[in-house]
Amino acid sequence: GENVEQHPSTLSVQEGDSAVIKCTYSDSASNYFPWYKQELGKRPQLIIDIRSNVGEKKDQRIAVTLNKTAKHFSLHITETQPEDSAVYFCAASISQGAQKLVFGQGTRLTINP
Amino acid sequence: DADVTQTPRNRITKTGKRIMLECSQTKGHDRMYWYRQDPGLGLRLIYYSFDVKDINKGEISDGYSVSRQAQAKFSLSLESAIPNQTALYFCATSDTTGGAFGELFFGEGSRLTVL
Repeated sequence: GENVEQHPSTLSVQEGDSAVIKCTYSDSASNYFPWYKQELGKRPQLIIDIRSNVGEKKDQRIAVTLNKTAKHFSLHITETQPEDSAVYFCAASISQGAQKLVFGQGTRLTINP
Repeated sequence: DADVTQTPRNRITKTGKRIMLECSQTKGHDRMYWYRQDPGLGLRLIYYSFDVKDINKGEISDGYSVSRQAQAKFSLSLESAIPNQTALYFCATSDTTGGAFGELFFGEGSRLTVL
């Protein structure tokens, strides 16, 4: 079936450095790619998303890039801060039949002061 | 603020018991979902519903059932709970305008422990 692979599973960076999380997907018809952030003990919340008609989207310190040919997309966080510490999930839409999202396994990001 | 509310937030039960997790929303969204979160496995879709008369199985529906009692209410049942159903369960809603996929709004989660 359709799946989304996310790497790395854990990532530790120094405060102020950049962090990159990568995802690959299998369904060539996928056209929507959101990223969710889950702080400890909290619910996942959308931080940025991209649709297949663009290659890059930026929102302040976070950006997402999409390579449809290679079927992968990445989350980039620049100038990391302690509040960026969380679990991040990527997802891809599955369009066969009813629309739904398939999530990656998650990346636990730790920002070291 | 419009929100997605789950009850109970925490539940400990025994193998073989029937459990119901309830979800209600005040966002006015048509689409509702139940996800399960396990460490290292991400969020996996159990069931989803696009309106009151529409129920669909997700990736891991075995051992679960759902009921969409109204546009605002979507409940998840475990008919006979087993220990490997111990997990954090999330309800979510979305408003898919014009057919394009949109943001998921999650509830606060229901932590279920099956002994």
